[in-house]
Amino acid sequence: RKEVEQDPGPFNVPEGATVAFNCTYSNSASQSFFWYRQDCRKEPKLLMSVYSSGNEDGRFTAQLNRASQYISLLIRDSKLSDSATYLCVVGRSGNTGKLIFGQGTTLQVKP
Amino acid sequence: ETGVTQSPTHLIKTRGQQVTLRCSSQSGHNTVSWYQQALGQGPQFIFQYYREEENGRGNFPPRFSGLQFPNYSSELNVNALELDDSALYLCASSLFTQETQYFGPGTRLLVL
Repeated sequence: RKEVEQDPGPFNVPEGATVAFNCTYSNSASQSFFWYRQDCRKEPKLLMSVYSSGNEDGRFTAQLNRASQYISLLIRDSKLSDSATYLCVVGRSGNTGKLIFGQGTTLQVKP
Repeated sequence: ETGVTQSPTHLIKTRGQQVTLRCSSQSGHNTVSWYQQALGQGPQFIFQYYREEENGRGNFPPRFSGLQFPNYSSELNVNALELDDSALYLCASSLFTQETQYFGPGTRLLVL
């Protein structure tokens, strides 16, 4: 079983749609949580950190449920430019900043 | 842009050869982490360097080795290349070991 699991998709949605991605992680000692965005053949870019209280950045909302070891990302009013792969990322506790990535979920927003 | 640079951008090698990839961290960052991303997969942690010392290693064989220099730039060396080493190699820099990581554009390695 992978340490961070995501539905790879693809998710095909029309412009303006709301789409939600989910992710589960298996190591309860994980202490930091992120969503990264990766465009085709490019490097991952930090989209947002995820906190237990939930956090929002414009059209993007991220939630963390530590009890269920579950992370979510909600994108409202999808734009064509949101088409990308979204990577769920978990950071371990301890001194090493090792990041553990999910496989990624591909989003394709259609006109 | 993150300010993290990597070279070369692309590389083609044959099995058994050795390769060195380079990374310059963002100004002010003292930590560099290296990741391997195979096609269709998420990046996998290779190792991290902090103040010129290895600070954690993932599940990669010893033929993957690294260095960090006094200016915090870093190298990833891979010996005895195998076909499965074909991947995108990403470096990420951070202010300290546990801080947010910012990725460079990657080096795409093809082993024939």
